[in-house]
Amino acid sequence: EVQLLESGGGLVQPGGSLRLSCAASGFTFRKYAMTWVRQAPGKGLEWISGISGSEGRTYYADSVKGRFTISRDNSKNTLYLQMNSLRAEDTAVYYCAKSVAGMDAFDIWGQGTMVTVSS
Amino acid sequence: AIQMTQSPSSLSASVGDRVTITCRASQDIRNDLAWYQQKAGKAPKLLIYAASSLQSGVPSRFSGSGSGTDFILTISSLQPEDFATYYCLQDYISWTFGQGTTVDIK
Repeated sequence: EVQLLESGGGLVQPGGSLRLSCAASGFTFRKYAMTWVRQAPGKGLEWISGISGSEGRTYYADSVKGRFTISRDNSKNTLYLQMNSLRAEDTAVYYCAKSVAGMDAFDIWGQGTMVTVSS
Repeated sequence: AIQMTQSPSSLSASVGDRVTITCRASQDIRNDLAWYQQKAGKAPKLLIYAASSLQSGVPSRFSGSGSGTDFILTISSLQPEDFATYYCLQDYISWTFGQGTTVDIK
């Protein structure tokens, strides 16, 4: 079964850091682009970062550029999101997702992990 | 960055109704558009990719059309399980979601 499982969310103070992980199983992880999408409470979906399969090219939304870093370890079938300089507006459920084929839509999503930035 | 504008932001409909949701891109995105359904507390579910390709396992009452800048998601006969929020996503250059359309019961 194709599955994504996020972890690492929690409560962090403004200015703090957090690293999210997304463990993948049931597919050849290195072949697919992966992404992080977040959803603030009561708000819509916001794409924030993506990474290509084997080459590891990275992409960021302006809202997180310079603060967040996406990476992947294809030997561990795991996607990461390092989040630094966190702000209250980063409070959201963070989802990881797998691309359908190349750098395209996302077909498999994790269950999400909640990040709360508050003092 | 490419902007995606969905309309309407919400609509009320009855079981059996035909429902259409539109999504407009700020520039030509060819057919690089997907549609998602999201229910409260759940991850989004892919319905349509490449503007008109039905994702495996998705009922045929869902269909997508359009290319360039204007796209439509159609639900031919609304079912009780279809009351949810729907999002478009462009994947032509990076990725951008529309703001969402909530479909609720009339």
